[in-house]
Amino acid sequence: EIVLTQSPGTLSLSPGERATLSCRASQSVSSSYLAWYQQKPGQAPRLLIYGASSRATGIPDRFSGSGSGTDFTLTISRLEPEDFAVYYCQQYGSSPTFGQGTKVEIK
Amino acid sequence: QVTLRESGPALVKPTQTLTLTCTFSGFSLSTSGMCVSWIRQPPGKALEWLARIDWDDDKYYSTSLKTRLTISKDTSKNQVVLTMTNMDPVDTATYYCARIRRFAGGYFDYWGQGTLVTVSS
Repeated sequence: EIVLTQSPGTLSLSPGERATLSCRASQSVSSSYLAWYQQKPGQAPRLLIYGASSRATGIPDRFSGSGSGTDFTLTISRLEPEDFAVYYCQQYGSSPTFGQGTKVEIK
Repeated sequence: QVTLRESGPALVKPTQTLTLTCTFSGFSLSTSGMCVSWIRQPPGKALEWLARIDWDDDKYYSTSLKTRLTISKDTSKNQVVLTMTNMDPVDTATYYCARIRRFAGGYFDYWGQGTLVTVSS
C-alpha cells in the first residue's frame, strides 16, 4: 500500500497569500495518478486536481498542481475566503489511499 | 447532471451487519468504464477507501477490510450496495459513495453528500 504523507498539518495564512501544500508518497505513483480534493466542514470532498496537474471542471486557475514520482505539490496562488478548508491528496495508481490532510486556516 | 446519494441506518449495534445503498443518476453502471466506490471518514479523521465495483462487475476491496466487505450493483435501479459485517465502534464514520471513470484515470469526480453511521450499543 502506498502511504501518502501531507505537510504541513496546518497552514495559517491570510487571504491573498500563497499556499503551498506538500504530498509525499512512500513509493512512486504510477502515471502521476495523483489527485487533490478540498473538503469544507460538513461537506463531501470536492475534486480539484487530477493527473497531478490537471484542474477539474469549474476549478479556478488559482489552484495548480505539480510533481511526479513521489513528490507532489498543490499551490493556491492567492487565497480567497472560500479556500480555507482541509485538502487531501490521493493516489489512484493502485489500491487507492489518501493523505491525512492539510488544514488551511485563517491567520 | 451526475448525483449520488447514500442511504442506510444512522445507528447500528456492535457485531451487527451494516447495509448501505448508493443511488445515483446521470450515468449508468452498464456503460464501459464507469465505476462506483465507497469511502469512509471517521469524525475528525482522514478519508479511507473501502471498495469499488466496475461496469463489468469486477470488484475490489481494501486489503485491511476485505473479509468484512461485500459490494454489489443493481444496474436497473442505478444502485450500489455495500455490506460490512461485524460492526465495531471504530467503524463509526461518514460513509460516502463516489463515481470513477476508469478510462479517464480513476479519481473520484463526483461524491454523494455522505451518511453518518454510528456504532453503539
